[in-house]
Amino acid sequence: EADIYQTPRYLVIGTGKKITLECSQTMGHDKMYWYQQDPGMELHLIHYSYGVNSTEKGDLSSESTVSRIRTEHFPLTLESARPSHTSQYLCASSGRQGARDTEAFFGQGTRLTVV
Amino acid sequence: GENVEQHPSTLSVQEGDSAVIKCTYSDSASNYFPWYKQELGKRPQLIIDIRSNVGEKKDQRIAVTLNKTAKHFSLHITETQPEDSAVYFCAASINFGNEKLTFGTGTRLTIIP
Repeated sequence: EADIYQTPRYLVIGTGKKITLECSQTMGHDKMYWYQQDPGMELHLIHYSYGVNSTEKGDLSSESTVSRIRTEHFPLTLESARPSHTSQYLCASSGRQGARDTEAFFGQGTRLTVV
Repeated sequence: GENVEQHPSTLSVQEGDSAVIKCTYSDSASNYFPWYKQELGKRPQLIIDIRSNVGEKKDQRIAVTLNKTAKHFSLHITETQPEDSAVYFCAASINFGNEKLTFGTGTRLTIIP
């Protein structure tokens, strides 16, 4: 079934550790996004990509980095995790239907806690 | 860039009554306006969207209206039910090329049984 997958769903990690949040989609979409969201609160765009080898910073400054080497894969990396990085991270993708973009489809999210 | 404002931030409605959530946008070039519903602990999911070539769209109990001149759009939920309780997000984008969605700040809707 076409979907967007995030792993892990939950992660508790110590300060200073390097972490990578995985996001893969089987929807054939070219655009992918990372949002940071505290539970039930505003969605903050931190990174997005229009396609392979394209990455852009979002509206909210983030110490994380992303890569887009394959169309279906858009991992997010934190080189040195801090308690301020504690949040939920949502990955999303969107594509094209004819001349129009589709809506954004979201993954289940990764809830990150840095202790 | 685009700026989307959403009101109210919280809304409590008696079951069976109607709920209205309003959004305004800043970029007159925006032409695609989706609405997402996020239930507690779940991912945001599209519930309805509208493009700038129409002024209103309806899907059962949910409707969206768009006023391009005033640059605002609204979500209307009629005959509300407990399962409508969630956080609702509006968004706007220029739906061609490499433009991203800009989200509103969200409205927490609570349906009172």
